[in-house]
Amino acid sequence: NAGVTQTPKFRILKIGQSMTLQCTQDMNHNYMYWYRQDPGMGLKLIYYSVGAGITDKGEVPNGYNVSRSTTEDFPLRLELAAPSQTSVYFCASSLPTSAVPHEQYFGPGTRLTVT
Amino acid sequence: AQKVTQAQTEISVVEKEDVTLDCVYETRDTTYYLFWYKQPPSGELVFLIRRNSFDEQNEISGRYSWNFQKSTSSFNFTITASQVVDSAVYFCALRANAGKSTFGDGTTLTVKP
Repeated sequence: NAGVTQTPKFRILKIGQSMTLQCTQDMNHNYMYWYRQDPGMGLKLIYYSVGAGITDKGEVPNGYNVSRSTTEDFPLRLELAAPSQTSVYFCASSLPTSAVPHEQYFGPGTRLTVT
Repeated sequence: AQKVTQAQTEISVVEKEDVTLDCVYETRDTTYYLFWYKQPPSGELVFLIRRNSFDEQNEISGRYSWNFQKSTSSFNFTITASQVVDSAVYFCALRANAGKSTFGDGTTLTVKP
């Protein structure tokens, strides 16, 4: 299993540009998550999904959109990038809490800089 | 709403010292799950332990141990005989039954030789 994969690993965007961060998992996990981690800070939940076709907002959803058309993929869309979105973005997946184990498996992260 | 507080921003110890990382949480759910993750300087997130709200049994895994006390809403993590390789950022996380997950701001542990 490749686990959770994220592309790209690094990206520099100009203010106002848009981009999609890709996330794919091959573990047949129902739950998927997007977090951002600002320098020296913890992880903030952007959006999460408990299954295909179902998404919900986390703590910091403004400026982002997600979709979940398949179990495997959970792309994160940035529209009109702003310097405040400079961060490292982590995608994660897990089984439902009713299953064991259900800890989150994380991708390697995407380092995004908006200038 | 749920919240995780890691009051210790940074801790520095000398190798072989014991160190405890504190984690206090808030949630209205009666069923919830607590986790510890490690983020070494390389940046990846590594799962360490999971505990559910019905299991207050403490756990030991090698030099690592965890103390879960529901009465004080705490889930503390102790490293015994710390090593330089333990230097990392450690995150405590809370997950509700519905799936929403909240992380603390992390504790940066530096173990000096």
